[in-house]
Amino acid sequence: EAQVTQNPRYLITVTGKKLTVTCSQNMNHEYMSWYRQDPGLGLRQIYYSMNVEVTDKGDVPEGYKVSRKEKRNFPLILESPSPNQTSLYFCASSLSQGPNQPQHFGDGTRLSIL
Amino acid sequence: AQSVTQLGSHVSVSEGALVLLRCNYSSSVPPYLFWYVQYPNQGLQLLLKYTTGATLVKGINGFEAEFKKSETSFHLTKPSAHMSDAAEYFCAVSDSDSWGKLQFGAGTQVVVTP
Repeated sequence: EAQVTQNPRYLITVTGKKLTVTCSQNMNHEYMSWYRQDPGLGLRQIYYSMNVEVTDKGDVPEGYKVSRKEKRNFPLILESPSPNQTSLYFCASSLSQGPNQPQHFGDGTRLSIL
Repeated sequence: AQSVTQLGSHVSVSEGALVLLRCNYSSSVPPYLFWYVQYPNQGLQLLLKYTTGATLVKGINGFEAEFKKSETSFHLTKPSAHMSDAAEYFCAVSDSDSWGKLQFGAGTQVVVTP
């Protein structure tokens, strides 16, 4: 089954404790992206990657890091999480970075930073 | 840069009634437009998309949307609401200048009453 898989689905942690949210897709997609979803703001892009070893900032990259060492994986790293990073996070992928390509989303990761 | 405005953060419709969700966009070049649906505790699923060609686009679950360039709109409709349509709906825009970056609206929560 074609899918984007995120782990963990839920995480409660404390300020300053490094965490990683993994994202993996099995569709051989080139383009992957991370979003955060906050009430009343819709989804905002954090980082995206057009291919292996190619990443770039989205609209809200501060406090986050990403890497793309393999085509299928695109982990999101919070080196020193803070309460304002409490949010619902989504990973997405698409066949290419073409603007007409629909994105496939994971089921989300709900992070609570205390 | 493109942007999206969804009118109404919450919409309540009766079962069997028309569903109308409004989306207006701004883009300096021809846009690519998408509607996504998010059911509780799930990721976003593509409902339909407009890229080029026919301006009336049909999607899954009986939804359709019409691209009106003169009004910069891409409203989503469904003739007869079903209880299973209760979800949050997001309009999104991309264009050839944005290298595939999706800009999302704030979302519209749809409640269906018996």
